[in-house]
Amino acid sequence: AQSVAQPEDQVNVAEGNPLTVKCTYSVSGNPYLFWYVQYPNRGLQFLLKYITGDNLVKGSYGFEAEFNKSQTSFHLKKPSALVSDSALYFCAVRDRTSGGSYIPTFGRGTSLIVHP
Amino acid sequence: DAGVTQSPTHLIKTRGQQVTLRCSPKSGHDTVSWYQQALGQGPQFIFQYYEEEERQRGNFPDRFSGHQFPNYSSELNVNALLLGDSALYLCASSLWTENEKLFFGSGTQLSVL
Repeated sequence: AQSVAQPEDQVNVAEGNPLTVKCTYSVSGNPYLFWYVQYPNRGLQFLLKYITGDNLVKGSYGFEAEFNKSQTSFHLKKPSALVSDSALYFCAVRDRTSGGSYIPTFGRGTSLIVHP
Repeated sequence: DAGVTQSPTHLIKTRGQQVTLRCSPKSGHDTVSWYQQALGQGPQFIFQYYEEEERQRGNFPDRFSGHQFPNYSSELNVNALLLGDSALYLCASSLWTENEKLFFGSGTQLSVL
């Protein structure tokens, strides 16, 4: 079984400050990990993914995420937050052993609010 | 280049009715997946279609069925609607050879009264 936990329902940060949105996962094998962003009345948009290799993954809009195998975490980060980053962020995991079809498990989402 | 388009955007039905939702994938994509997103929850996988066949299915009852057409577009059908089926239904498209990267539509908001 695979699962994702996003422990914070909401994260508040001031514009220009660094932000972190937390994600921990559980899989029986090795994970594929993803972050998606959802703006109001829109579908989810792909931000970045970790498959293998470097633990620090860079994605769209200046976001990056750090894979930590020992802590089973994949936190999303950005050095300097923008008001336009305010949205709902979803972490997702897929067990690499699940075969060729992509069946991810999504977390419940974290609402990021960036204050001017 | 159009992204993933879904129709209708909103729908109101009553219990026991049947509903059909439609999805056109991003140009060049051959795989369509459907998700249910309840309020305050993450998307839950319903099923995935490739080459007009259901390839994978999540933990949803048989009331949920689908179809993929030769042009890769897809339909989601839900029979005998329940109040608990009220949710945002998301369609996501991808390439079968790169199906870890999903492109989502804006969804269909279904309300069952």
